[in-house]
Amino acid sequence: EVRLVESGGGLVQPGGSLRLSCAGSGFSLGDYTMSWVRQAPGKGLEWVSAIGGYGGSTYYAPSVKGRLTISSDNSKNILYLQMNSLRVEDTALYYCAKQGNYDSTGFDHWGQGTLVSVSS
Amino acid sequence: SYELTQPPSVSVPPGQTASITCSGDKLGHKYVCWYQQRPGQSPKLIIYQDSQRPSGIPERFSGSNSGTTATLTISGTQTVDEADYYCQAWDNNNVIFGGGTKLTVL
Repeated sequence: EVRLVESGGGLVQPGGSLRLSCAGSGFSLGDYTMSWVRQAPGKGLEWVSAIGGYGGSTYYAPSVKGRLTISSDNSKNILYLQMNSLRVEDTALYYCAKQGNYDSTGFDHWGQGTLVSVSS
Repeated sequence: SYELTQPPSVSVPPGQTASITCSGDKLGHKYVCWYQQRPGQSPKLIIYQDSQRPSGIPERFSGSNSGTTATLTISGTQTVDEADYYCQAWDNNNVIFGGGTKLTVL
């Protein structure tokens, strides 16, 4: 059974940093493109970043480029999101999501999310 | 930047057909996915590649995509289908989500 478990969220001041983790089980993380998707309180879904299989190409939403860095440790089957220079508008529930065999097959598995709150 | 537009809300009586639209420039040239998010839960993929249903998704969910509009259709809508629905596509290596549609079954 595929399972994704996020951790690392918390309360941080503006300008601060956090590192989110997403532990995968039931599949090899390196075999798939993985993404982070966030959802601000009461708002819709916003894609944040993606990483290709086996630490391939990385992609970022314009709103986070230069501040957030996606990476993975395929030996541990863990996806990361290093978040620097955090802003109040980064406050959200952050989900990790696994894509299917092709981009067009969508995000077929999601974690339960980890909450990031940026506030002074 | 590319945008996908959904109606904020749709209402449907139980047993009737609900249609949720998603509009974007030349959207018919892209693949569209649909996700269901019930309150307090993570999103769930219900349609991929415009019209394909993942294993375990009921047949009452169907999708289409042509021109500038993709449509999620729920036939014989049930109260359990009350949720937020999001469309999603790709544009130049970016993932784009629609703003979401709240489906009310009443």
